Amino acid sequence: KQEVTQIPAALSVPEGENLVLNCSFTDSAIYNLQWFRQDPGKGLTSLLLIQSSQREQTSGRLNASLDKSSGRSTLYIAASQPGDSATYLCAVHPGAGSYQLTFGKGTKLSVIP
Amino acid sequence: DVKVTQSSRYLVKRTGEKVFLECVQDMDHENMFWYRQDPGLGLRLIYFSYDVKMKEKGDIPEGYSVSREKKERFSLILESASTNQTSMYLCASSSPTSGGAYEQYFGPGTRLTVT
Repeated sequence: KQEVTQIPAALSVPEGENLVLNCSFTDSAIYNLQWFRQDPGKGLTSLLLIQSSQREQTSGRLNASLDKSSGRSTLYIAASQPGDSATYLCAVHPGAGSYQLTFGKGTKLSVIP
Repeated sequence: DVKVTQSSRYLVKRTGEKVFLECVQDMDHENMFWYRQDPGLGLRLIYFSYDVKMKEKGDIPEGYSVSREKKERFSLILESASTNQTSMYLCASSSPTSGGAYEQYFGPGTRLTVT
């Protein structure tokens, strides 16, 4: 059974710092990996989707990488801002014929002004 | 942009009541999902649907049922609400992209309290 782990559970950084959030998964046979952001009491917002054939995706100050063979993905946030404070979740799609995502429990990021 | 809407942001119900949570998506997506999210437990899949009138159980279907009569609408039903169903409920939808990936889009969530 696929398991997704995000360490650390919480992270606090000063404004302006570059940071990396980690996501690991136990079964490398994934179809794609998705990163989400969740603000308190709100739904999830999709940030980046990496297909299994891709190594990375970029959107603005965000860059997500995928290494299927090692079962790892990272989300890099450049020049962090207080508005980046949120919980970041990663989720993997297991493959064709399955519709379900397996989620990690998230990393709660606090960016201190 | 994909839009997924949920009928209520906050809902308070009494134990034993029948509760309906509605979800609508505007992008003609094939797949729709209901999750609940609880502190320390993360997101757990309750039910999903891959077509009109089709449904599949997720990880925690007990105490819930679903209905999908139209492609854009997916309803979650709590037949007899109990206090342990107090939670944040999240609806999502997806369809394959041109590259074959399934990107999920979420609604704003419904915070349900059962007293």
